[in-house]
Amino acid sequence: NAGVTQTPKFQVLKTGQSMTLQCAQDMNHEYMSWYRQDPGMGLRLIHYSVGAGITDQGEVPNGYNVSRSTTEDFPLRLLSAAPSQTSVYFCASRSSSYEQYFGPGTRLTVT
Amino acid sequence: GDSVTQMEGPVTLSEEAFLTINCTYTATGYPSLFWYVQYPGEGLQLLLKATKADDKGSNKGFEATYRKETTSFHLEKGSVQVSDSAVYFCALTGGATNKLIFGTGTLLAVQP
Repeated sequence: NAGVTQTPKFQVLKTGQSMTLQCAQDMNHEYMSWYRQDPGMGLRLIHYSVGAGITDQGEVPNGYNVSRSTTEDFPLRLLSAAPSQTSVYFCASRSSSYEQYFGPGTRLTVT
Repeated sequence: GDSVTQMEGPVTLSEEAFLTINCTYTATGYPSLFWYVQYPGEGLQLLLKATKADDKGSNKGFEATYRKETTSFHLEKGSVQVSDSAVYFCALTGGATNKLIFGTGTLLAVQP
């Protein structure tokens, strides 16, 4: 099993550019989420989804959009990148027993 | 709301030393508790979990016991190795929310 996959691994954007971080899982999990990890801040929840067609905001949703058209895919969109969005982004999916599986992360730098 | 507090790092130990990383939580109801580990340059991996009071989770020589009376879930290992060097995150889910709430992480550095 591939588990949770994320692309790209690294990305550099200029302020104002847009991009989509891809996330896919092959475990048929209903619950998926996006986190950002910043030094000294732990992981903060951006958006999450409890199933196809259903998304909701987490702790730090501003500047990010998500959609969930299939169970497998949960992309994260940055509409107009800002330097404050420089971070490492992790996608995760969760089993019915609340075990969360993380992707390898995307390291984003916004200049 | 629900929250997790874990000890500040970094924790620096010599190989074969005893490890304790403290974790306490605040939650309504009966949360499930987890420890995740993040090795350099990687995503987080589930290390162990406990779903009810007095449960002990264990994996790879690490242990943690769900203590409801002290709202704690301290991580322990009897003899650490250099390969255990990583960041360790305590987390909870359930309680007032079904979201996974993380502590800020504790960096462990084990020296040979």
